[in-house]
Amino acid sequence: SQQGEEDPQALSIQEGENATMNCSYKTSINNLQWYRQNSGRGLVHLILIRSNEREKHSGRLRVTLDTSKKSSSLLITASRAADTASYFCATDASTSGTYKYIFGTGTRLKVLA
Amino acid sequence: GAGVSQSPSNKVTEKGKDVELRCDPISGHTALYWYRQSLGQGLEFLIYFQGNSAPDKSGLPSDRFSAERTGGSVSTLTIQRTQQEDSAVYLCASSPLGTRNEQFFGPGTRLTVL
Repeated sequence: SQQGEEDPQALSIQEGENATMNCSYKTSINNLQWYRQNSGRGLVHLILIRSNEREKHSGRLRVTLDTSKKSSSLLITASRAADTASYFCATDASTSGTYKYIFGTGTRLKVLA
Repeated sequence: GAGVSQSPSNKVTEKGKDVELRCDPISGHTALYWYRQSLGQGLEFLIYFQGNSAPDKSGLPSDRFSAERTGGSVSTLTIQRTQQEDSAVYLCASSPLGTRNEQFFGPGTRLTVL
């Protein structure tokens, strides 16, 4: 399996509920980023968490990072229909002279009104 | 300010023809990336330009693929002798100072090879 795999692959919830997506990776990283992609706005950066951080918040988003388990989670609270999109994690494992930035295959979130 | 722009937005070509895809990054961003995304899939890294350094071409799938970045700004991705499996959305992104920052994506070019 590849670096940056999201789980679940698809998630369907009711508006107002919370949505949790997970990302696992295999190597040491510099940072991990979450992106959202929908047909209207393309691929948009949501949040970046560095390897020395454990949790970050941005509005209704909460991201955690557990480097010992090589995993991250994205929590969207009080979901809205507009949150319907695919969510990707991306890991930056670049070293000097070597670029290694890998996107996962994504979680497709559907929020039902 | 202006975001990353890509042209054309859609390209339909016949198998065996060459295509050029253009990316205009955000002004001042030193890093530029090309990815491709097949239907329902994640992003596949193709190539990375950082400033004046030699590009990282490790993601290019074959020697039919090449990319240039002129003057540290505009980039062109060229696919020679296109094949049907090249059909995908080609996404360009830029970021300030490399991979430690968020990447700003363009709208993509949807390439269809008939």
